[in-house]
Amino acid sequence: DTAVSQTPKYLVTQMGNDKSIKCEQNLGHDTMYWYKQDSKKFLKIMFSYNNKELIINETVPNRFSPKSPDKAHLNLHINSLELGDSAVYFCASSQKTGINTGELFFGEGSRLTVL
Amino acid sequence: GNSVTQMEGPVTLSEEAFLTINCTYTATGYPSLFWYVQYPGEGLQLLLKATKADDKGSNKGFEATYRKETTSFHLEKGSVQVSDSAVYFCALSPFGNEKLTFGTGTRLTIIP
Repeated sequence: DTAVSQTPKYLVTQMGNDKSIKCEQNLGHDTMYWYKQDSKKFLKIMFSYNNKELIINETVPNRFSPKSPDKAHLNLHINSLELGDSAVYFCASSQKTGINTGELFFGEGSRLTVL
Repeated sequence: GNSVTQMEGPVTLSEEAFLTINCTYTATGYPSLFWYVQYPGEGLQLLLKATKADDKGSNKGFEATYRKETTSFHLEKGSVQVSDSAVYFCALSPFGNEKLTFGTGTRLTIIP
């Protein structure tokens, strides 16, 4: 069983479209994240949810809207796609404990290409 | 703010060579330090970690020691294999905070 799964793995779309990426984790973790990895492999956190509550919201255009229907799912919706949104988007999860371990479990990534 | 600086890649080595990938950090307090590895076409995986000064993290022949005096966490391996070819990310997490800050990654290629 895949611990953190994302769909779709590949997404090619036109500028101006709206698209969603879904993420599910079966690890029983409380916290989920979205990271963006650009063409130079630089990883930057976008959002973090703990038990359906938004806890990290980095400086991200409000065209990006995360939604967490339950603590096992964190979806990412992107409106009015732009060329600069082309990247690999990684979902991750972690178990929130009293002492932070910092260990994240990542999905395989969703490669978004905006034409 | 917190930041992680890694040596620029790409790094190309012959099989069985000694590997060092440098990582230094800037953070307040006592962060936890990590190395993650990303194999081609896959997500990141935790390779090793250290949570306090002088701790040594190790896994799969890789080692890194948390050096508070030099704010460093260099990754080393004595004899690399072709299967070690990947992108390696150094990261830190401030104590009590789940937000990981990653370095820019170092692409490692091992040739037979």
